[in-house]
Amino acid sequence: DIVMTQGALPNPVPSGESASITCQSSKSLLYSDGKTYLNWYLQRPGQSLQLLIYWMSTRASGVSDRFSGSGSGTDFTLKISRVEAEDVGVYYCQQFLEFPFTFGSGTKLEIK
Amino acid sequence: EVQLVESGGGLVQPGRSLKLSCAASGFTFSNYYMAWVRQAPKKGLEWVATISTSGSRTYYPDSVKGRFTISRDNAKSSLYLQMNSLKSEDTATYYCARQTGSSFDYWGQGVMVTVSS
Repeated sequence: DIVMTQGALPNPVPSGESASITCQSSKSLLYSDGKTYLNWYLQRPGQSLQLLIYWMSTRASGVSDRFSGSGSGTDFTLKISRVEAEDVGVYYCQQFLEFPFTFGSGTKLEIK
Repeated sequence: EVQLVESGGGLVQPGRSLKLSCAASGFTFSNYYMAWVRQAPKKGLEWVATISTSGSRTYYPDSVKGRFTISRDNAKSSLYLQMNSLKSEDTATYYCARQTGSSFDYWGQGVMVTVSS
């Protein structure tokens, strides 16, 4: 199984500052179609999951352009610019390259 | 608006069975793969099952293979998860999710399953 490893944030992050969350996969997520099958989700407190980014860097419909994804085949970053109170929650990366789909353990974002 | 509403959760004894349902609306259900993902209390996310558009193909991780069965009724826009031989480690919130070729793009609010004697 592909192991997803997420980094921690130096919480709390001051409102208006940027925050970067890292994620590493144990296998390259770059597929032969040229797409990298890495997703980012946000789980706000007490809520379900929201898709933020798919194919490593494509924002999902309705997601603020303050969220951006980047990376290589195995190392990924989700950057949140100008953090706001509504960004509080746990961020998960996920590989969608192959079964079983696996998630990182989550990175908590708190705002000061 | 895409909506996914789970039901059927509750308290069940170890070794017993439970069936979850997910009612979908706001999109053409039969055009999408569907999935179940769970989250144990204060823990991360674990993919549990995926089913193809027709229901002819299903996929499971080793942790539930042989015990859980995913199914669907396209006429009713409904997804199901039959869970047999339940264990304490199956205690979790179970989410229904719409699956595309790239991600789980919509999620339900989840339903809690507690396995305990």
